[in-house]
Amino acid sequence: GAVVSQHPSRVICKSGTSVKIECRSLDFQATTMFWYRQFPKQSLMLMATSNEGSKATYEQGVEKDKFLINHASLTLSTLTVTSAHPEDSSFYICSARGTAINQPQHFGDGTRLSIL
Amino acid sequence: DAKTTQPPSMDCAEGRAANLPCNHSTISGNEYVYWYRQIHSQGPQYIIHGLKNNETNEMASLIITEDRKSSTLILPHATLRDTAVYYCIVRGGATNKLIFGTGTLLAVQP
Repeated sequence: GAVVSQHPSRVICKSGTSVKIECRSLDFQATTMFWYRQFPKQSLMLMATSNEGSKATYEQGVEKDKFLINHASLTLSTLTVTSAHPEDSSFYICSARGTAINQPQHFGDGTRLSIL
Repeated sequence: DAKTTQPPSMDCAEGRAANLPCNHSTISGNEYVYWYRQIHSQGPQYIIHGLKNNETNEMASLIITEDRKSSTLILPHATLRDTAVYYCIVRGGATNKLIFGTGTLLAVQP
């Protein structure tokens, strides 16, 4: 089946640091990628949608200057959490979808971000 | 996108079939029903999706009612490793985004 690789799986860093998370589609071309965030005991919340070569579309309430998304190729998207603070600690999950609009999205294994 | 309603939790005995219901009474004609599951601390795993016909793959079967207002995911022989939160999501239309609800926590009991 389709594979989405996310890296790193866990990161712990100090407050004020910027953190970059990578998401790669390994065996298909991902025209659209999605970034989600999940707090403990809650469901996944969509943060933003990005199409290759275009600016990301952010969901209401998500700060675009705080969460920088780059989708420069059909196999790679990155999420950078800028000047991270403890409240940004969460489980971040990327997802990718191919060209056919009703293809299923496939998810990475997530990144556990802890800001001290 | 149409909203879905699922029971918050269900139990199933190991080796028995697990039948997970989902209501999506406001589904529109071009929206698909997708099922995912999330095992603790992992990313969601795609299970199956369908439009109006019943679907089956190596993981599960999806039964969609004729009026498309509800569906059932069937895991034919549940194992302990099937314990997870199962999400039923309707996707299509203008946004075509996967929006997650609260899902059903399926606990498979030995």
